[in-house]
Amino acid sequence: DGGITQSPKYLFRKEGQNVTLSCEQNLNHDAMYWYRQDPGQGLRLIYYSQIVNDFQKGDIAEGYSVSREKKESFPLTVTSAQKNPTAFYLCASSGTGGKQPQHFGDGTRLSIL
Amino acid sequence: GNSVTQMEGPVTLSEEAFLTINCTYTATGYPSLFWYVQYPGEGLQLLLKATKADDKGSNKGFEATYRKETTSFHLEKGSVQVSDSAVYFCALQDNAGGTSYGKLTFGQGTILTVHP
Repeated sequence: DGGITQSPKYLFRKEGQNVTLSCEQNLNHDAMYWYRQDPGQGLRLIYYSQIVNDFQKGDIAEGYSVSREKKESFPLTVTSAQKNPTAFYLCASSGTGGKQPQHFGDGTRLSIL
Repeated sequence: GNSVTQMEGPVTLSEEAFLTINCTYTATGYPSLFWYVQYPGEGLQLLLKATKADDKGSNKGFEATYRKETTSFHLEKGSVQVSDSAVYFCALQDNAGGTSYGKLTFGQGTILTVHP
């Protein structure tokens, strides 16, 4: 079955540590996205990529970094500069021809130790 | 910029009741509109979509009509079930071109609880 796989499901970070969240898709989608979800709020866009080797900052990119070396993979690193990283992180992908909906993974919940 | 406003929740209903969740939007151009559903501990699932004015999206008994004149996309279901309990998000997709093309703007989500 085609889909988006996020791992791990739960992740814990120590103070001053960088952590990387994995996102892999086998839908052959060109575009991929990372969102952050906090309780009682909608999703906020962190970074997005419309094509391999290119990505753009979203609305809340500070303290995060990404890479897009392969079409199917879009890992997100939460750096120590992100002072409030506890949240639910969602990865999505979509086609880029026309009005394509985004499809989401099951998320990674990041907590601080 | 683009924005989406959903009715505040939580919404609590009895089984078989009628559901309406209001959604209004602000956008330039002609966005696509979506409703997503999120069950506890999971990601978002696409529930329905509409890509132009007067389109009606429907799925699993849920419906929403793209109303350009009122900039609205209200979600409705005639008879809810306990299994419909979830968080519902209204979202707008920017189709205006440039680097914003394809980006989604979400409402804050509405928690729906259906009791037997």
